[in-house]
Amino acid sequence: AQSVTQLDSQVPVFEEAPVELRCNYSSSVSVYLFWYVQYPNQGLQLLLKYLSGSTLVKGINGFEAEFNKSQTSFHLRKPSVHISDTAEYFCASIKAAGNKLTFGGGTRVLVKP
Amino acid sequence: DAGVIQSPRHEVTEMGQEVTLRCKPISGHNSLFWYRQTMMRGLELLIYFNNNVPIDDSGMPEDRFSAKMPNASFSTLKIQPSEPRDSAVYFCASSSRGWDEAFFGQGTRLTVV
Repeated sequence: AQSVTQLDSQVPVFEEAPVELRCNYSSSVSVYLFWYVQYPNQGLQLLLKYLSGSTLVKGINGFEAEFNKSQTSFHLRKPSVHISDTAEYFCASIKAAGNKLTFGGGTRVLVKP
Repeated sequence: DAGVIQSPRHEVTEMGQEVTLRCKPISGHNSLFWYRQTMMRGLELLIYFNNNVPIDDSGMPEDRFSAKMPNASFSTLKIQPSEPRDSAVYFCASSSRGWDEAFFGQGTRLTVV
């Protein structure tokens, strides 16, 4: 079975500080990995995705993530956060050529001035 | 494109009433998903359509829930009769390829009193 674990439910961080959101996945087959962001009262928006190729993936708004197969991780990072990055972030996986996106429980990021 | 359009944005109904949520996917997308988001259970996939055909409805919680996709530009999720525990935000998402990026609507916040 496929599962996604986000290790932190909440991450408070000061403006202009770096942030890392942790995500681990489990699957017996190859998976594609995604990070989505949800701003208050909004739907989910794709930040970045890993399908194949380079393990370092760059996304929108200065975010990047690194796929680590040996650690089964796909952690999200941003070197300097803004107040506007306050949101909930979801890691998700799907089996290669599958059709069911499995989401982690989400990590709430609160950026403080 | 206007993106995935959901209606209504908010719905308040009394227990026992029928509720119908509507979704217009992005034109040209052939995969459509209905998700439910609650604090307790996070994001849950309810049902997935491909080319208007339901492929996986294993996430539909009970027979009170039903979903249809009569054509490529419209889908409905119906709850009859509604119960207070159905209160949640319901998201519709569409994708051009079932295993790739899903585009989410802004959701319908359902409150059953």
